[in-house]
Amino acid sequence: AQSVTQLDSQVPVFEEAPVELRCNYSSSVSVYLFWYVQYPNQGLQLLLKYLSGSTLVKGINGFEAEFNKSQTSFHLMKHSVHISDTAEYFCAVTKTGGFKTIFGAGTRLFVKA
Amino acid sequence: KAGVTQTPRYLIKTRGQQVTLSCSPISGHRSVSWYQQTPGQGLQFLFEYFSETQRNKGNFPGRFSGRQFSNSRSEMNVSTLELGDSALYLCASSSVGNQETQYFGPGTRLLVL
Repeated sequence: AQSVTQLDSQVPVFEEAPVELRCNYSSSVSVYLFWYVQYPNQGLQLLLKYLSGSTLVKGINGFEAEFNKSQTSFHLMKHSVHISDTAEYFCAVTKTGGFKTIFGAGTRLFVKA
Repeated sequence: KAGVTQTPRYLIKTRGQQVTLSCSPISGHRSVSWYQQTPGQGLQFLFEYFSETQRNKGNFPGRFSGRQFSNSRSEMNVSTLELGDSALYLCASSSVGNQETQYFGPGTRLLVL
């Protein structure tokens, strides 16, 4: 079975500062990895995904993530955040070719002016 | 293309009642997954359907059930509602059927009194 741990429940950061949201996963088989964002009263939107290939994945809104197989991590990064990035971010995993996605508990990013 | 639509958006029920939620996937998508989101438990996988067949199920009691129709629209039903069933229920659709890319609807917020 797969599991996901998001190491920070809340991350406050100032506008234009860099940010890293941490995610570790556990799986005995190969997996796909995802980051989703959820704005208040909305569903989830896919930011980026790792399926295979290059370990540095670029997504929308300037976000990127690095897949590290040896450390079983998939941390999300942004070089310069905006107020509009304030939202909840979810790391998720599914086994390759699987039909079930497991989500982490979420990290609330709060960008301050 | 229209996105994933969920109806109703908000619902208030009382304990012991049953409820049916509906999800219309993106046109051409054949896989539909359902998730329950609560502050305490986070995002939890309920079940996934592909071409009218349930392929995977999460750890929920039998009161939670679902189905998918030939046009890929899906419904989930919760019988004998409990207070703890209050949650945001999210539906996601996928074209390729293996959860590489899921598109989420806005959710149905259920309040059980």
